[in-house]
Amino acid sequence: DADVTQTPRNRITKTGKRIMLECSQTKGHDRMYWYRQDPGLGLRLIYYSFDVKDINKGEISDGYSVSRQAQAKFSLSLESAIPNQTALYFCAAEHSGTGELFFGEGSRLTVL
Amino acid sequence: AQKVTQAQTEISVVEKEDVTLDCVYETRDTTYYLFWYKQPPSGELVFLIRRNSFDEQNEISGRYSWNFQKSTSSFNFTITASQVVDSAVYFCALSGANFGNEKLTFGTGTRLTIIP
Repeated sequence: DADVTQTPRNRITKTGKRIMLECSQTKGHDRMYWYRQDPGLGLRLIYYSFDVKDINKGEISDGYSVSRQAQAKFSLSLESAIPNQTALYFCAAEHSGTGELFFGEGSRLTVL
Repeated sequence: AQKVTQAQTEISVVEKEDVTLDCVYETRDTTYYLFWYKQPPSGELVFLIRRNSFDEQNEISGRYSWNFQKSTSSFNFTITASQVVDSAVYFCALSGANFGNEKLTFGTGTRLTIIP
């Protein structure tokens, strides 16, 4: 079983719609992250959380929000999707102090 | 601010050749960690290695080896006797060890194609 599970894996939506990407992990890691991947830009950090009550902005948080509902769950929301948010989104979990991130399989979002 | 530069956007080599992927980093932290991740065509991200800034010993794992040189802020990755299964995008990444600066910063990746 995968340590980190993302849903949905693929989603096509229209401009202005609200979208939520969900992430759950089974290993009890305390730290969780959301990244987006764009061709030629690598992975850029959107938000991260070091604990249930801890939420931090990454380098490209505008247009996104997150919720850490429980240690195992970290969801990413796009309140009003726009086409330049079309990307591959990765959730990751890390046990603090190790530096090793376990990534989900990615969620491909297309905003028309 | 932390920065990771992978100047090689794409590399193609013939199978069985050796290939080195370059990674140069910038950080103000005195203690930090360096990483390599592999993203095969299937899309998942696979952890390959973590290196502590205090440890400049080179590491070898099978056909993979890593050369960490603090003096040049580089953490290069060499694949010996490349195989088609090595075809992937490889990301170098950096995180600080100080509280609040521990998030991972990725380079833009190098797409490696091994030609049969």
